[in-house]
Amino acid sequence: GQNIDQPTEMTATEGAIVQINCTYQTSGFNGLFWYQQHAGEAPTFLSYNVLDGLEEKGRFSSFLSRSKGYSYLLLKELQMKDSASYLCAPMDSNYQLIWGAGTKLIIKP
Amino acid sequence: GAVVSQHPSRVICKSGTSVKIECRSLDFQATTMFWYRQFPKQSLMLMATSNEGSKATYEQGVEKDKFLINHASLTLSTLTVTSAHPEDSSFYICSAIRDTDLPGYTFGSGTRLTVV
Repeated sequence: GQNIDQPTEMTATEGAIVQINCTYQTSGFNGLFWYQQHAGEAPTFLSYNVLDGLEEKGRFSSFLSRSKGYSYLLLKELQMKDSASYLCAPMDSNYQLIWGAGTKLIIKP
Repeated sequence: GAVVSQHPSRVICKSGTSVKIECRSLDFQATTMFWYRQFPKQSLMLMATSNEGSKATYEQGVEKDKFLINHASLTLSTLTVTSAHPEDSSFYICSAIRDTDLPGYTFGSGTRLTVV
């Protein structure tokens, strides 16, 4: 079957760094997306990895290891507005996104 | 960048009535659009995939006669919830993808449906 595993909830301090891990199993693989979703809003695109390694984009970085079925999202210099759910979504062989429940990130002052 | 407009953002309707939700790609042609439903604190659940000019493909357990999807043009897909019931109250989100331009998934802003 296909499944996503990421922590349900994480807490971090403003200004700190947090890493959100994701392991996945899919039927085929065509890359992995990370999305941010604030409560009551639609997801917004953060990153896309299709090759192994680290992709850096400002305060956010995403890492992928295809052989391990593993990815992480690294958020630096945390701000209060980063409080949201972060969704790891690999794409299967049919180019369908597979969604988990996401990780709710709580930022404390 | 790619923009997807979804309308309405919120709707309250009476039980037994129908509600139409529109999803438009504003600056690109979307050959494929996806409709999702999300209950509080749960993951996005894919309801159906619609391709322009053809019938939508529904996920298992989604009633195609209740959730009517029309993708009549390359920029517009609609989801109609027919004979809505309180259990249909949810957050409905569409996303659109350019032809094969990954990562081309763009989401609409979502529609909060409340059936009373």
